[in-house]
Amino acid sequence: DGGITQSPKYLFRKEGQNVTLSCEQNLNHDAMYWYRQDPGQGLRLIYYSQIVNDFQKGDIAEGYSVSREKKESFPLTVTSAQKNPTAFYLCASSMMTGSGNSQPQHFGDGTRLSIL
Amino acid sequence: QKEVEQDPGPLSVPEGAIVSLNCTYSNSAFQYFMWYRQYSRKGPELLMYTYSSGNKEDGRFTAQVDKSSKYISLFIRDSQPSDSATYLCAMSGIGANNLFFGTGTRLTVIP
Repeated sequence: DGGITQSPKYLFRKEGQNVTLSCEQNLNHDAMYWYRQDPGQGLRLIYYSQIVNDFQKGDIAEGYSVSREKKESFPLTVTSAQKNPTAFYLCASSMMTGSGNSQPQHFGDGTRLSIL
Repeated sequence: QKEVEQDPGPLSVPEGAIVSLNCTYSNSAFQYFMWYRQYSRKGPELLMYTYSSGNKEDGRFTAQVDKSSKYISLFIRDSQPSDSATYLCAMSGIGANNLFFGTGTRLTVIP
């Protein structure tokens, strides 16, 4: 079954701790994205990557870091600098946008991060 | 002003009703329009994907785009309890990877 796998489903962070959220896709998509979802605020883009070893900041990148060493994988680290990390984190992927079109994004089932 | 506005609801309808969900937007560069369905504690699932103005039908679902009014709609016919979810609109410009999302409308279909 092709899809996007996020793990863990639930994650707890202690004060001062960095935590890493996993995202793996087997859709052969070039582009991958991380969003944060908070009640009443919709999805906000944290980081995205269009190609291996390259990524760009989204609207709310402060306190987060990413890597893209493999096409299939795009892990997100929530650092201790992120003072309000409690949220639902969603990973998505899409085919690369060619000239003149835009491809829909497909989502994983999310990781819910809470502070201990 | 947000780029995409969506009434958060909640919206409750009886089973079998026709549901109308709507979003407005401000950026005239948006050309691609999507509707996602999100069940509780799950990721959004792509329902409809349309380009520019017009209608698109898929089973009980119809997506409508009116670019002159900057207004998009999703209609659900013969609504079922399994349609109870949050519906998110999303849109993007030509050649753009980034999506702009509405905040979502929570729908409950009552048996």
